[in-house]
Amino acid sequence: QKEVEQNSGPLSVPEGAIASLNCTYSDRGSQSFFWYRQYSGKSPELIMFIYSNGDKEDGRFTAQLNKASQYVSLLIRDSQPSDSATYLCAVMVSGTYKYIFGTGTRLKVLA
Amino acid sequence: DGGITQSPKYLFRKEGQNVTLSCEQNLNHDAMYWYRQDPGQGLRLIYYSQIVNDFQKGDIAEGYSVSREKKESFPLTVTSAQKNPTAFYLCASSTRSSSGANVLTFGAGSRLTVL
Repeated sequence: QKEVEQNSGPLSVPEGAIASLNCTYSDRGSQSFFWYRQYSGKSPELIMFIYSNGDKEDGRFTAQLNKASQYVSLLIRDSQPSDSATYLCAVMVSGTYKYIFGTGTRLKVLA
Repeated sequence: DGGITQSPKYLFRKEGQNVTLSCEQNLNHDAMYWYRQDPGQGLRLIYYSQIVNDFQKGDIAEGYSVSREKKESFPLTVTSAQKNPTAFYLCASSTRSSSGANVLTFGAGSRLTVL
């Protein structure tokens, strides 16, 4: 059974700080990795995807991938109260069109 | 506007009844998916379909059925065999992005409550 692990949190950070969210996965052959944000009662929305080792930046968000360690992270710079949500890590299982999700990390940005 | 439309948004069902959740997309995506989300939990895959007239079971397919007669539509039936159907149901579709990754896009969800 392929797995994606996340710390459920809550992770509390002050406004303006950097929030660091982490995810590990078991499928060594996985090539595509995704971060989604989900507000309470709403559906997930894509923040970023990454499929190459290293960093990918988009505005205040940076995704980091380390395939050797099977680890992907999301950094949110200058965190805002509006960033308070659950962040879901997803992995596309190698050789399939299946996406496996972690249970999510709840982020609280304190004003 | 292109997107994924799920209906109904809220649905109440009596025990022993089958219900069908609708999912329609106008994004011209080939692959479509159904996920279930329980409070405080991640998304669990029920069924997915890569092409018309073909679909595969996900991790929790028991008690559910689907069809894919048209590219745009992927309805999910929650049968009376599903022991604990109260949940938030999410339909999604995917396509390959310009950068090569298959990006998953979600509908707004359907919340099913069994009375």
